[in-house]
Amino acid sequence: GAVVSQHPSWVICKSGTSVKIECRSLDFQATTMFWYRQFPKQSLMLMATSNEGSKATYEQGVEKDKFLINHASLTLSTLTVTSAHPEDSSFYICSARSGGAIDTQYFGPGTRLTVL
Amino acid sequence: GQQLNQSPQSMFIQEGEDVSMNCTSSSIFNTWLWYKQDPGEGPVLLIALYKAGELTSNGRLTAQFGITRKDSFLNISASIPSDVGIYFCAGPHGPNRDDKIIFGKGTRLHILP
Repeated sequence: GAVVSQHPSWVICKSGTSVKIECRSLDFQATTMFWYRQFPKQSLMLMATSNEGSKATYEQGVEKDKFLINHASLTLSTLTVTSAHPEDSSFYICSARSGGAIDTQYFGPGTRLTVL
Repeated sequence: GQQLNQSPQSMFIQEGEDVSMNCTSSSIFNTWLWYKQDPGEGPVLLIALYKAGELTSNGRLTAQFGITRKDSFLNISASIPSDVGIYFCAGPHGPNRDDKIIFGKGTRLHILP
């Protein structure tokens, strides 16, 4: 199946710093990527939809100035958590839509963010 | 809005047993997706269903798209230790296949030693 990578796989940072997470589709082009966050023992919650070459669409309750999304190419989307605080600690997962005849989403392996 | 209800929330079974879990919604879905998530990993697509009544297998896994379009089930036959994980049903949040996907809360599968 299609491969999606994320970098870094985990990151620990101090409160107040910004953290950038990359999501890449390795063997296909993705015009649309999605960013989710997942708290322990909970389901995935969609944060935003990232469209190549245009502004991201954020879900209700997600601060767009805090979670900056850039989708600069068909294979790369980035999520920057600005001025991170401990409550931002979570598992962040991206997915990329494959398009084509069988259109579905493939997920990256996730990034564990811990804010001290 | 649309919601997906999964049951059971968790299961404790013996290795070798068959497993059945389901997903229901109060509204119609045009696509049903089943994912598995291992601890510390992203979800992996197991089976995608695109047509009401469709029955699809992937190895020991079988999933069906309910005729009413409001439910789907996933069966695992002869469970093995690597089946442990969280199983999520999911579907597009809208009438089109490329609408954003929403997820159920998951079914946690545990295998007793």
